[in-house]
Amino acid sequence: GQNIDQPTEMTATEGAIVQINCTYQTSGFNGLFWYQQHAGEAPTFLSYNVLDGLEEKGRFSSFLSRSKGYSYLLLKELQMKDSASYLCASMDSNYQLIWGAGTKLIIKP
Amino acid sequence: DTAVSQTPKYLVTQMGNDKSIKCEQNLGHDTMYWYKQDSKKFLKIMFSYNNKELIINETVPNRFSPKSPDKAHLNLHINSLELGDSAVYFCASSQVLADSYNEQFFGPGTRLTVL
Repeated sequence: GQNIDQPTEMTATEGAIVQINCTYQTSGFNGLFWYQQHAGEAPTFLSYNVLDGLEEKGRFSSFLSRSKGYSYLLLKELQMKDSASYLCASMDSNYQLIWGAGTKLIIKP
Repeated sequence: DTAVSQTPKYLVTQMGNDKSIKCEQNLGHDTMYWYKQDSKKFLKIMFSYNNKELIINETVPNRFSPKSPDKAHLNLHINSLELGDSAVYFCASSQVLADSYNEQFFGPGTRLTVL
């Protein structure tokens, strides 16, 4: 079956660094997406990885290991506005996104 | 200015009723989607349309029917609403389907509550 696993909730301190892990099993693979979703709002795109390695975009970076079926999202210099859910999604062979339940990130002052 | 819009934002209705949710995108995208996000926050694909043709139809009850009058619109009709239909429904669009880099743009969501 197809499955995406990520932690339910994480807590971090303002200004610190946090890493949100995601493991995936999908029928085929066409890339790994990370989306951010603030409470009561729509998901918004953060990053896309299809090759192994690290993609950096400002304070956010995303890593992929295809052989391990593993990705992480790294958030640096955390700000209070980063409090949100972070959704991991794998694109399968039919170009369909299979979504995780999201990791709720709580930032404390 | 809004890229993907949905109406209504909130919908409260009684069991057994029929309701519709509208979605429009002004991005010129070829593919549109409907997702259901339940209380556990899983996003589940319900339908997607590419150039007015249904190309993914997940195992959703046939009480749910997507209707696309043109490629900028994908409406969702729900017949005989049940309590378990209560959720947030998101519309989304993307440039093309068969492309590995396929960022999806989401509408603001419609919170449906069935009483």
